[in-house]
Amino acid sequence: SAVISQKPSRDICQRGTSLTIQCQVDSQVTMMFWYRQQPGQSLTLIATANQGSEATYESGFVIDKFPISRPNLTFSTLTVSNMSPEDSSIYLCSVEPKGGMITGELFFGEGSRLTVL
Amino acid sequence: GENVEQHPSTLSVQEGDSAVIKCTYSDSASNYFPWYKQELGKRPQLIIDIRSNVGEKKDQRIAVTLNKTAKHFSLHITETQPEDSAVYFCASYSGGGADGLTFGKGTHLIIQP
Repeated sequence: SAVISQKPSRDICQRGTSLTIQCQVDSQVTMMFWYRQQPGQSLTLIATANQGSEATYESGFVIDKFPISRPNLTFSTLTVSNMSPEDSSIYLCSVEPKGGMITGELFFGEGSRLTVL
Repeated sequence: GENVEQHPSTLSVQEGDSAVIKCTYSDSASNYFPWYKQELGKRPQLIIDIRSNVGEKKDQRIAVTLNKTAKHFSLHITETQPEDSAVYFCASYSGGGADGLTFGKGTHLIIQP
């Protein structure tokens, strides 16, 4: 299994500010994803982080609000821009380490718990 | 798109009893069904999975069954222990990339001592 490190693990942010979350994997992976888990809710896919190109966003998520970088096969960042209290969530980085979504098996980071005041 | 329904949302069982969580899916093309366990404040972790060419899979105290005809699959935990207390998510994968993985809303399993 892949070892995924995320930081920050938690943060309290002011309305209108932006925060960048980092995700580091201990091995090269093809597929990296960002999920959001609102309090007491399930996991919602934000986007697929593509190495060397723009991320692929799911319906309801846009690049201006959630810019994503993927400079190499082991690292990605997610920025939550112009935050509002509705953005208070856990943001999870995940990887599919077996070379693609053929298996559908995901490993998750510990998550970044953001509270927006 | 795929729709995954998970029941119950909360399940309380006595320690030592069995627990069953059920999920239904809508996309007949779905071919992979993982179950994730998320303890409080922790990451979701894959605990068992099943593919569409298999009807049942068991790993010690946990098992998953799949009925493709009825489009439902279930997680069974026997001889429950306090450390089984967590939120469990089912998911179905219908291919085509990350958006092909759809999660259920989760079941909060409470093991009563």
